[in-house]
Amino acid sequence: DAKTTQPTSMDCAEGRAANLPCNHSTISGNEYVYWYRQIHSQGPQYIIHGLKNNETNEMASLIITEDRKSSTLILPHATLRDTAVYYCIVPYSGAGSYQLTFGKGTKLSVIP
Amino acid sequence: EPEVTQTPSHQVTQMGQEVILRCVPISNHLYFYWYRQILGQKVEFLVSFYNNEISEKSEIFDDQFSVERPDGSNFTLKIRSTKLEDSAMYFCASREGGNEQFFGPGTRLTVL
Repeated sequence: DAKTTQPTSMDCAEGRAANLPCNHSTISGNEYVYWYRQIHSQGPQYIIHGLKNNETNEMASLIITEDRKSSTLILPHATLRDTAVYYCIVPYSGAGSYQLTFGKGTKLSVIP
Repeated sequence: EPEVTQTPSHQVTQMGQEVILRCVPISNHLYFYWYRQILGQKVEFLVSFYNNEISEKSEIFDDQFSVERPDGSNFTLKIRSTKLEDSAMYFCASREGGNEQFFGPGTRLTVL
C-alpha cells in the first residue's frame, strides 16, 4: 500500500482557507487518495476522495497533482469546528478489503 | 442521515473477562470493519468482514478476538479474555460498494 507523508501540524485563522498537503509518491495508477478527519477521539469522518481529477463536495476540495504524487485538501472557510487531525490515506485493497492505514495525520488548529 | 451506531459507549471490565462490543452498520452496507485506537496513538485496523466471513485481519487480531454478524443488523467484536493492553477506543465502520468507510462513535474499553 502506498505510504503517505503529511506535516505534523498546521494553524489556520478562522474564516480563511486551510490547505493541507500530502505526499504519496509511490501511489499506483489505479489507487485513490482518501481524506478523513478525527475530531478529538470521535470516530474518523470521511471527507473526500479522488483519483486524478480535482474533486469538490460540500465539505472540501481535493487537488491532485498531474503526476499524482501529491495532493492538497482545501477547507475553503475554516471554522473552529474544523479543528481536528486530518488523515491522507491510500487504502490497501488486498482481498478487496480496502482497509485504512492511518498515519499520524496533520493536526489542524483553527485559531479565532 | 443514516449512521453507524455502537454500544456501549464505555465498557469497564476486569482483566480476563470476556467482552462483546456491538455495532449496527448502515443498513445497505456490505463491508464491515473494526479498528482500535489506544489512547494517544494511531487508529489501527483489526479486521474486515464481508459475505459472512473475515476478508482480512491484522496481526493484532489474534485468537482472543472474534467477529460475528449474528443477524441482519448487528456486527459484534468479542474479546475472549481481556488484557490490560486491550484498553482502547474500538471503532466499527461500514461501507457500501464504494471505498469510503463510515465510522461509528466508538466504544471506550477500559480493562482493570
